[in-house]
Amino acid sequence: DIQMTQSPASLSASLGETVTIECLASEDIYDILAWYQQKPGKSPQLLIYDASSLHTGVPSRFSGSGSGTQYSLKINSLQPEDFASYYCQNGLSALNTFGAGTKLELK
Amino acid sequence: QVQLQQSGAELAKPGSSVKISCKASGYTFTSYYISWIKQTTGQGLEYIGYINTGSGGTNYNEKFKGKATLTVDKSSSTAFMQLSSLTPDDSAVYYCARSLMAYYDGYYFDYWGQGVMVTVSS
Repeated sequence: DIQMTQSPASLSASLGETVTIECLASEDIYDILAWYQQKPGKSPQLLIYDASSLHTGVPSRFSGSGSGTQYSLKINSLQPEDFASYYCQNGLSALNTFGAGTKLELK
Repeated sequence: QVQLQQSGAELAKPGSSVKISCKASGYTFTSYYISWIKQTTGQGLEYIGYINTGSGGTNYNEKFKGKATLTVDKSSSTAFMQLSSLTPDDSAVYYCARSLMAYYDGYYFDYWGQGVMVTVSS
């Protein structure tokens, strides 16, 4: 089973800042990785798939990169609506495992 | 627009079963599988399995075999998940999600229902 380890678990940042969230897979997942945003009381929303492809309607300040076992989500110029939890997910294995999440809070 | 509308919250007793629904609209229902995902504070997001909305074929995470049963009614564009022999560990929010094939049986989830909170308590 592929394990997904996210870091940091929580992150404080200010409006306008740029932040990066990391996701480490326990084995090579060949860029088959998605990122989701979840706000309190809401369902997760797909941001990025195939490690770097932006889902329809997602602002361009979000970007994904990485390869092999190491991936990252970068958010440029943080907006008020970006403060949420973020999850990575591997789409390579049939278990479709998720990372434990990163909570992004306003400093 | 794509929408997945799930049924309401459930309060169930240990040992009982619940059946939750997920009604799709805004796209051709049988063109995409529907997956189900469990979310708890302790375990995070866990993939339960998917149903082929065209054929009714299913694939389950081994952990949820015997716990979850996925079915579909194509005539109403609705997917269902029944959870049986409930215990307090089954208390969670359960989501349905439209599934994009990422790799063989690996998927991405591009649209999600609003979630159903299931509480198991005596």
